[in-house]
Amino acid sequence: AQKVTQAQTEISVVEKEDVTLDCVYETRDTTYYLFWYKQPPSGELVFLIRRNSFDEQNEISGRYSWNFQKSTSSFNFTITASQVVDSAVYFCALSALRSGNTPLVFGKGTRLSVIA
Amino acid sequence: NAGVTQTPKFQVLKTGQSMTLQCAQDMNHEYMSWYRQDPGMGLRLIHYSVGAGITDQGEVPNGYNVSRSTTEDFPLRLLSAAPSQTSVYFCASSPWGMEDTEAFFGQGTRLTVV
Repeated sequence: AQKVTQAQTEISVVEKEDVTLDCVYETRDTTYYLFWYKQPPSGELVFLIRRNSFDEQNEISGRYSWNFQKSTSSFNFTITASQVVDSAVYFCALSALRSGNTPLVFGKGTRLSVIA
Repeated sequence: NAGVTQTPKFQVLKTGQSMTLQCAQDMNHEYMSWYRQDPGMGLRLIHYSVGAGITDQGEVPNGYNVSRSTTEDFPLRLLSAAPSQTSVYFCASSPWGMEDTEAFFGQGTRLTVV
């Protein structure tokens, strides 16, 4: 079975602080994909990143960075110098590759509030 | 390019009524799925389809039916609405192999059952 755990339900930070959102996953598959999506107050789901299980390189995109560690089954997301516009619910998700891709399995999300 | 289009955006139903949530995509994606989002529960998979004529159940399929007669459309039917089906529903589509892309989501349908 596949499972994604986001233990942090809500996080509140002051603007310009750094914040890390945790994601721990479970799967028996050797080939899989990990995702992060952002859901702003307007409600749509915005794709942030996809990472496959064979690529453990960390990735940085502007103020966003992702740390993938297979040894701890974690795919954590850090926002540097947070801004009010980062306030949203963030979802981590997992899809495995078997005969084809399995549907995305989502964590319960972390609500991030950035206070000015 | 419209992407994934869901209709309606909002709907209020009475208990026992039936309705169909529409989902259409214009990207020729094989893979389509329906999720429901409830507070504190994340997105849970209802049904999915890997191509026209093929559907399968997800985590929470009870009370919902789907069919996939074309590549473009994947409607979700509520046979007899219950208050427990009050939720926000998202439709998603992606190519069959997700190696090079991500799932594209519709804007969501907010359904209230009274």
